[in-house]
Amino acid sequence: SAVISQKPSRDICQRGTSLTIQCQVDSQVTMMFWYRQQPGQSLTLIATANQGSEATYESGFVIDKFPISRPNLTFSTLTVSNMSPEDSSIYLCSVEGPGRFQAFFGQGTRLTVV
Amino acid sequence: GDSVTQMEGPVTLSEEAFLTINCTYTATGYPSLFWYVQYPGEGLQLLLKATKADDKGSNKGFEATYRKETTSFHLEKGSVQVSDSAVYFCALVTAGTQGGSEKLVFGKGTKLTVNP
Repeated sequence: SAVISQKPSRDICQRGTSLTIQCQVDSQVTMMFWYRQQPGQSLTLIATANQGSEATYESGFVIDKFPISRPNLTFSTLTVSNMSPEDSSIYLCSVEGPGRFQAFFGQGTRLTVV
Repeated sequence: GDSVTQMEGPVTLSEEAFLTINCTYTATGYPSLFWYVQYPGEGLQLLLKATKADDKGSNKGFEATYRKETTSFHLEKGSVQVSDSAVYFCALVTAGTQGGSEKLVFGKGTKLTVNP
């Protein structure tokens, strides 16, 4: 199984600022995924990040708001830009496991925007 | 679009009680179905899965049967333990829209607390 470390685990941020979340995997993976879980809601896929190419964003998410970096096969960052209280959520990093759609997840980053 | 509906939580049980967490889905075609679990302080991890109708997924004493006729995938365990306290997520894989790739669609999660 893959071990995924996310930083920070939680943060409280002022509106209008940006936060960068880091995701480190203990093995090389092709695809990394970023999810958001808003309060009382299900997990929603934000984007898929492949090393060496632009991230692919899901409907309703744009690169200007959620820029993603994927500099190598073990690391990715998600930035939440120009934050508003509506961005208060848990953000999760994920990678695929050996089985199809057997995903591994990090512990998540709990973001509160005030 | 495709969706998953889970029973509202939180659920609180005593040790050795029987557990059922209901999950129903809406999907085009025949999705694969999953239960993920998130223990306190840890990331989500796959608990069990079923890929076609009437399949039963099982792991760690938990079971769920893929029921196409009722579009359900209820999670059950005969005797829960304190260590089963966690958040449980039902999920399915849906075919991508507009030619996009397949992706996981999750329910909202159900928090289970088991008391000694």
